[in-house]
Amino acid sequence: NAGVTQTPKFQVLKTGQSMTLQCAQDMNHEYMSWYRQDPGMGLRLIHYSVGAGITDQGEVPNGYNVSRSTTEDFPLRLLSAAPSQTSVYFCASRGLNSNQPQHFGDGTRLSIL
Amino acid sequence: DQQVKQNSPSLSVQEGRISILNCDYTNSMFDYFLWYKKYPAEGPTFLISISSIKDKNEDGRFTVFLNKSAKHLSLHIVPSQPGDSAVYFCAASARNSGYSTLTFGKGTMLLVSP
Repeated sequence: NAGVTQTPKFQVLKTGQSMTLQCAQDMNHEYMSWYRQDPGMGLRLIHYSVGAGITDQGEVPNGYNVSRSTTEDFPLRLLSAAPSQTSVYFCASRGLNSNQPQHFGDGTRLSIL
Repeated sequence: DQQVKQNSPSLSVQEGRISILNCDYTNSMFDYFLWYKKYPAEGPTFLISISSIKDKNEDGRFTVFLNKSAKHLSLHIVPSQPGDSAVYFCAASARNSGYSTLTFGKGTMLLVSP
């Protein structure tokens, strides 16, 4: 029972490099989302999707792109990494029923030098 | 402007006693609230939720109380166990956004000592 799987678990980038953080879920959830967590902060929503082909911005979308070509996958792209994007990134999913809680992956720890 | 506030960064409790974690919110449109628990190097895990049509929800050792007039909710853990030591996040959502977004507090680190 894999749930939400994030890869990689750790990554170090240089400023200006690009990268894709992968997120996959095997629960057939329509809703998927990306959050970042910084020290002393709660989780902040970057982007979310309510189904294949549909994405929308969250609280902190700048510098990130997403796409949703399948129900299972929701990759997060950094086109030109900046030190301010050093953070722990969490992917989550839930069914479309709004009263269902989100299930989180174990995170990707990203450092940008 | 922080819409969900957890004003206590940390809380220490002895095993067997009650732990009370507090959360305040400012957005009156929030009508669905959740508590998540997070261990180091893991993702948050859902603990318990409450809708604004209720003022209490209970699940085993965990009870969440909601005071809508004060825009305040609390999580009670009774009895507390060492395995409860973790960071607890309060989160809120609103029907007018289709519950599409969760707004999190900064978290409270709970330490339960034997």
